[in-house]
Amino acid sequence: DGGITQSPKYLFRKEGQNVTLSCEQNLNHDAMYWYRQDPGQGLRLIYYSQIVNDFQKGDIAEGYSVSREKKESFPLTVTSAQKNPTAFYLCASATGGGTDTQYFGPGTRLTVL
Amino acid sequence: AQSVAQPEDQVNVAEGNPLTVKCTYSVSGNPYLFWYVQYPNRGLQFLLKYITGDNLVKGSYGFEAEFNKSQTSFHLKKPSALVSDSALYFCAYITPFSGGYNKLIFGAGTRLAVHP
Repeated sequence: DGGITQSPKYLFRKEGQNVTLSCEQNLNHDAMYWYRQDPGQGLRLIYYSQIVNDFQKGDIAEGYSVSREKKESFPLTVTSAQKNPTAFYLCASATGGGTDTQYFGPGTRLTVL
Repeated sequence: AQSVAQPEDQVNVAEGNPLTVKCTYSVSGNPYLFWYVQYPNRGLQFLLKYITGDNLVKGSYGFEAEFNKSQTSFHLKKPSALVSDSALYFCAYITPFSGGYNKLIFGAGTRLAVHP
């Protein structure tokens, strides 16, 4: 899992609540990513950021929001608009956005009660 | 549509035997292919990647993969499996994204079970 930390490891949310998942990296990487993992499926891209104060929607951005105020940090907010948020969320970072290898954090498991 | 496919949901192998986890791709242009491994309740760990050059790519933990253009495959292999290799394995490829950047697209994953 290298220099990428995610917190908390487990998160429980009541319906209608917004929750924020933390992702921090000390690898001096420019690019950061958020993925969602559901059982029996591969990872799907939620949001992507190449530089500070810039980010782009991925394939399943609806109901999620992000910010990139610092190079090291890329928090993900799961809003009440996300209809099925129970999943395993993985953050990744890479030197750049080309063919550079993405390195992943340990993940946060979100459960909606 | 471009994609990678992992045709086996699960692969079972005895400890000490060679293992193969299959991946086929349908990608236009030059395919940039990756293998990752995921242990239970953990993030993904990078194993190896093919960008260009030698078709046989060596990676972490004794794993290797062979890029085969004629068969559009990128199978992951290890000569002698360990029980500790039991995990979920993902094949992935790079595809152009918005703004001139690229993103990873993952296969559905293959669960490897190595039995003592």
